[in-house]
Amino acid sequence: DTGVSQNPRHKITKRGQNVTFRCDPISEHNRLYWYRQTLGQGPEFLTYFQNEAQLEKSRLLSDRFSAERPKGSFSTLEIQRTEQGDSAMYLCASRPDWGEMDTQYFGPGTRLTVL
Amino acid sequence: GQQVMQIPQYQHVQEGEDFTTYCNSSTTLSNIQWYKQRPGGHPVFLIQLVKSGEVKKQKRLTFQFGEAKKNSSLHITATQTTDVGTYFCAGSGAGSYQLTFGKGTKLSVIP
Repeated sequence: DTGVSQNPRHKITKRGQNVTFRCDPISEHNRLYWYRQTLGQGPEFLTYFQNEAQLEKSRLLSDRFSAERPKGSFSTLEIQRTEQGDSAMYLCASRPDWGEMDTQYFGPGTRLTVL
Repeated sequence: GQQVMQIPQYQHVQEGEDFTTYCNSSTTLSNIQWYKQRPGGHPVFLIQLVKSGEVKKQKRLTFQFGEAKKNSSLHITATQTTDVGTYFCAGSGAGSYQLTFGKGTKLSVIP
């Protein structure tokens, strides 16, 4: 049983470039979440998918950010025209539909540094 | 929007001392969750509380959910060095999939 995986683990890019991150949730987990975490802060919700449908998106998410989950399995998060303020850890989490608790299983994250 | 506040931001304790972190929400929550994040790691789920006034225990950890479902606490008895990390509470409101995290309480345990 593998956990949530994210690739790449680290990304360094220059301001203005586009970046794309990938998240592979735990198998059969229908629900997938993206968060952003900066130093000294808790994870900040970005968006939520149930299967392939994007059901909720943070108002804080600018139009430079887009996420997809085309087949209801893996998901990608793209940031266009990166800015230095985008530097953060991007976390993905997944959970199944069933279960007593709404436990979210987090991946190791992708650390983005924008120079 | 919903805000979740946590205090204290940092706590340094001597090994064997107790530790408590408090969480307050600006709105009534449908449930509250607690996560632990070790240095360099990712958040790991600890517990979920759903009912008003609920108390749950996990070995040395005691979790409480307030009667009004707007506050919560995590108490660790007799801390150990393995308890080191940042403890986050996270709440969701009715009808929302969004989980709002507090800023966390970073616990240091001095051996």
